[in-house]
Amino acid sequence: SYELTQPPSVSVSPGQTVSISCSGDKLADKFVSWYQQRPGQPPVLVIYQDTKRPSGIPERFSGSNSGNTATLTISGTQAVDETDYYCQAWDSTTAVFGGGTKLIVL
Amino acid sequence: QVQLVESGGGVVQPGRSLRLSCTASGFTFSDYGMHWVRQAPGKGLEWVAVMSYDGNHKYYADSVKGRFTISRDNSRNTLYLQMRSLRAEDTAIYYCAKDVTYSRDAFDIWGQGTMVTVSS
Repeated sequence: SYELTQPPSVSVSPGQTVSISCSGDKLADKFVSWYQQRPGQPPVLVIYQDTKRPSGIPERFSGSNSGNTATLTISGTQAVDETDYYCQAWDSTTAVFGGGTKLIVL
Repeated sequence: QVQLVESGGGVVQPGRSLRLSCTASGFTFSDYGMHWVRQAPGKGLEWVAVMSYDGNHKYYADSVKGRFTISRDNSRNTLYLQMRSLRAEDTAIYYCAKDVTYSRDAFDIWGQGTMVTVSS
């Protein structure tokens, strides 16, 4: 079965730029979405179709997808961004989520 | 406003059945694919099933295939998940989620979830 691999945690200083990776075989052949999930809350879509931002999502969130790796980039990271992030893609008729990355804003 | 509200969760014994419902409002329900996604306590997200906008196409995760059935009633703006032969590993928060398209893409609207606990 298809797998998406994310680092368990990533750290960043406030105001800096951070990237969260999501790896999968020939991932660039698929569309990747990214979700932000705060504790006790449902996920929120922040990026879809690799690079698109839904309305209401700050411009500091951006995405890319090349080769075997998709990347969520947060520019000017804020304390409020500290939470969990999940990537997701479709493998034919099955949706697959990455294991999630906890973003730590130090 | 756009909203999804799940219901039907609870505590159920292993081997028993449960039906979840998700009522939509604020958008044209019959235009979009709809999904169920679950999250076990302290764990990550796991996609469960999808149904296309017209109900003609449905797909399942291997972990629930043959035990769960997704359905929808577009006249009632409601999505369902019939769960049978429940196992302890099905214990999770079950979220209903709207697709950005008529079928399978990203999940742009999520409900608050309903908790299902499978325990004797």
